[in-house]
Amino acid sequence: DQQVKQNSPSLSVQEGRISILNCDYTNSMFDYFLWYKKYPAEGPTFLISISSIKDKNEDGRFTVFLNKSAKHLSLHIVPSQPGDSAVYFCAASAGGTSYGKLTFGQGTILTVHP
Amino acid sequence: DAGVIQSPRHEVTEMGQEVTLRCKPISGHDYLFWYRQTMMRGLELLIYFNNNVPIDDSGMPEDRFSAKMPNASFSTLKIQPSEPRDSAVYFCASSLMGYQPQHFGDGTRLSIL
Repeated sequence: DQQVKQNSPSLSVQEGRISILNCDYTNSMFDYFLWYKKYPAEGPTFLISISSIKDKNEDGRFTVFLNKSAKHLSLHIVPSQPGDSAVYFCAASAGGTSYGKLTFGQGTILTVHP
Repeated sequence: DAGVIQSPRHEVTEMGQEVTLRCKPISGHDYLFWYRQTMMRGLELLIYFNNNVPIDDSGMPEDRFSAKMPNASFSTLKIQPSEPRDSAVYFCASSLMGYQPQHFGDGTRLSIL
């Protein structure tokens, strides 16, 4: 029972263009969402997060959008750079006593071509 | 600032042996998490601690797995006896508060032959 799904295993974009990574969730109790980036042989690194009281959060080149009615979030990277090539994971957490417990998607491999 | 430190980075051992993975969280972080990453199941939470106390161990696969946090700067994950299906990358993470982003170590790649 995958509660957080990243349906695209991979994405390839040209340098300078926009990268859009998508994530769907099924658990309506999730109220906090995060994106992590992972390079080979390293641990995931936190990128950006969003609370369910917002529908958008921006940090530099990275913007996360949340559509609660569709149970969908997306990460936009503009402009994409070759150094952005990595695996991107979305993660979700429910409130209350579970707020420390993250459920991760399977990840999307992003390749940015020069 | 030092990040989350895990040791060893790689471990190869034979089936049936005891395996101990170690983690030093970021100083001052109250939460510590153990994850396992496999191709089949992705990144899954095994157990997490708050102020050295286990809060949720529902992700621990079976009794062969145990985790301890004897003090705020050290945690271990033990597998005894180990089996080939335990082969995976094990990550430790820590956070300041439960709602704060988690900071991950670089993982231990475990291979059970």
